[in-house]
Amino acid sequence: ETGVTQSPTHLIKTRGQQVTLRCSSQSGHNTVSWYQQALGQGPQFIFQYYREEENGRGNFPPRFSGLQFPNYSSELNVNALELDDSALYLCASSDTGSNQPQHFGDGTRLSIL
Amino acid sequence: EDQVTQSPEALRLQEGESSSLNCSYTVSGLRGLFWYRQDPGKGPEFLFTLYSAGEEKEKERLKATLTKKESFLHITAPKPEDSATYLCAVQAGGGSQGNLIFGKGTKLSVKP
Repeated sequence: ETGVTQSPTHLIKTRGQQVTLRCSSQSGHNTVSWYQQALGQGPQFIFQYYREEENGRGNFPPRFSGLQFPNYSSELNVNALELDDSALYLCASSDTGSNQPQHFGDGTRLSIL
Repeated sequence: EDQVTQSPEALRLQEGESSSLNCSYTVSGLRGLFWYRQDPGKGPEFLFTLYSAGEEKEKERLKATLTKKESFLHITAPKPEDSATYLCAVQAGGGSQGNLIFGKGTKLSVKP
């Protein structure tokens, strides 16, 4: 069983740039959620995708957007990067159904200079 | 407002010294409470899901319990390889499936 994989593992950008992060969900999982984890904090929910549509969103501005593809893989796009966007971005996949546990990838470490 | 508070922030134990981590929560209708383990530079690793007060789950040296206001993660005779940050998360009623609300975690260090 293949777990959740994310790419790239590390990324350095400057303020104002745009970034795309990628996630392949665990085999058999059709739901993908994205989280932002600042240093020393717990992950914060950004949004979730199910059947290629956004299915819930946290308190993040519209410059955070996403996509889900027919093979259930997903992208997180962030425009107009700010210094505060520096964080670990985590992708989690789960099976359909309420309360199913989410399984996380190892994340993309994004640094904004 | 739904929130999760974990305590202590950090815990240092000697190998074999049992202890408990606490997760207090305030949510509008609990759908599930989740425990994860996170190693440095890695994503959270799923440990347990608890759904209702009185429920208990066990895995090796770990045991999770749930009441209406809090959950405990009991660690029995820990080993150095149990050193990690333990995260607690809740899924509230009315939220989307993805909307897990996490605490800040408890950083556990086990010395040989």
